[in-house]
Amino acid sequence: EAQVTQNPRYLITVTGKKLTVTCSQNMNHEYMSWYRQDPGLGLRQIYYSMNVEVTDKGDVPEGYKVSRKEKRNFPLILESPSPNQTSLYFCASSSLAGATDTQYFGPGTRLTVL
Amino acid sequence: DQQVKQNSPSLSVQEGRISILNCDYTNSMFDYFLWYKKYPAEGPTFLISISSIKDKNEDGRFTVFLNKSAKHLSLHIVPSQPGDSAVYFCAASAGTDKLIFGTGTRLQVFP
Repeated sequence: EAQVTQNPRYLITVTGKKLTVTCSQNMNHEYMSWYRQDPGLGLRQIYYSMNVEVTDKGDVPEGYKVSRKEKRNFPLILESPSPNQTSLYFCASSSLAGATDTQYFGPGTRLTVL
Repeated sequence: DQQVKQNSPSLSVQEGRISILNCDYTNSMFDYFLWYKKYPAEGPTFLISISSIKDKNEDGRFTVFLNKSAKHLSLHIVPSQPGDSAVYFCAASAGTDKLIFGTGTRLQVFP
């Protein structure tokens, strides 16, 4: 089954404790991205990757890091989480960048930073 | 600056009636528009799209209308069903650039 998986699905942590949210896709997609969803702000892109070893900032990259060492995986790293990073996070992938190719989203990771 | 706006955070419609979800955009360079649907505890899923060379695209009960002069997009669901209850995001893109999402509209379809 074609899918995007994220782990963990739920996470409660404390300020400053480094964490990683994993994302994996089995569709051999070139393009992957991370979004955060906040009330009244919709989905905002954090980082994206056009291909292996190619990553770039989205609209809200501060406080986040990513890596793309393999085509299927695109982890999101919070080196020193802060309460304003409490949010619902989605990983997505598509064959191509841009809107003309459908993006497939993972189920989401709800992060709470205390 | 919100380039894609969904001014109605919620909408309640009776089963069988038409649901109309609206979306406005400011960037005249946008040339592709999409609607995504999101159920609780799931990721958004693609619903329907439209290119700027068209003004209407239909897929079963779902129709998207594009008014380029007004920079306005709408999604019509006819007839509405309880299973359509979800959050709907419109999104737009210019060329191969990234998707810009709206803030979402929560649709509730009641019996």
